[in-house]
Amino acid sequence: DFQMTQSPSSLSASVGDTVTITCRAGQSIITYLNWYQQKPGKAPKLLIYAVSSLQSGVPSRFSGSGSGTDFTLTINSLQPEDFATYYCQQTFYIPRTFGQGTKVEIK
Amino acid sequence: EVQLVESGGGLGQPGGSLRLSCAASGFTLSSHWMHWVRQGPGKGLVWVSRMSSDGYATDYADSVKGRFTISRDNAKNTLLLQMNNLRPEDTAVYYCAREKWNAFDMWGQGTMVTVSS
Repeated sequence: DFQMTQSPSSLSASVGDTVTITCRAGQSIITYLNWYQQKPGKAPKLLIYAVSSLQSGVPSRFSGSGSGTDFTLTINSLQPEDFATYYCQQTFYIPRTFGQGTKVEIK
Repeated sequence: EVQLVESGGGLGQPGGSLRLSCAASGFTLSSHWMHWVRQGPGKGLVWVSRMSSDGYATDYADSVKGRFTISRDNAKNTLLLQMNNLRPEDTAVYYCAREKWNAFDMWGQGTMVTVSS
């Protein structure tokens, strides 16, 4: 299967910190890269699509960048409600693979 | 309200079958590509299957190919996943998701499938 590699797998941060999560594709996926947030016991929620487009209702402290094989999700001024697991996803190839997830925990 | 609601999960025997449903409200399923995604206990998200908006194209993950079948009941505006020859590794929460702008913009709440004897 097509691989999406996220790093780190987990991180600890404080409220107000800036957090960066990276996602690397096995080969170019152009800009077919999305980011999701998932809280325990809940369905994933789309945050960013097409690398950098913010889904409606998502706070502007979330941003995405990158192209080709390397992508980044940045969360500025981390808020208490942002502690969750984040997944990247490519939608260029079948299967529609997800990264393994990054758990953002409270320091 | 625009939403997806899954049902049909439960306990299945190895080698047995289950059928999952995903009822859509507030929009028409046949206007979108639709997907099934699963998440094993404590694990990450794994894409399972998709159906095209016109219903003619389907794709499957290798792990379920030949065992699972995605389909749609247009009259009930419901997406289906027929799961046959179940294996313990199929144990997971199953989500249906709507595709928009090449992303999964709407998800159901999930339905738990446990495969065990």
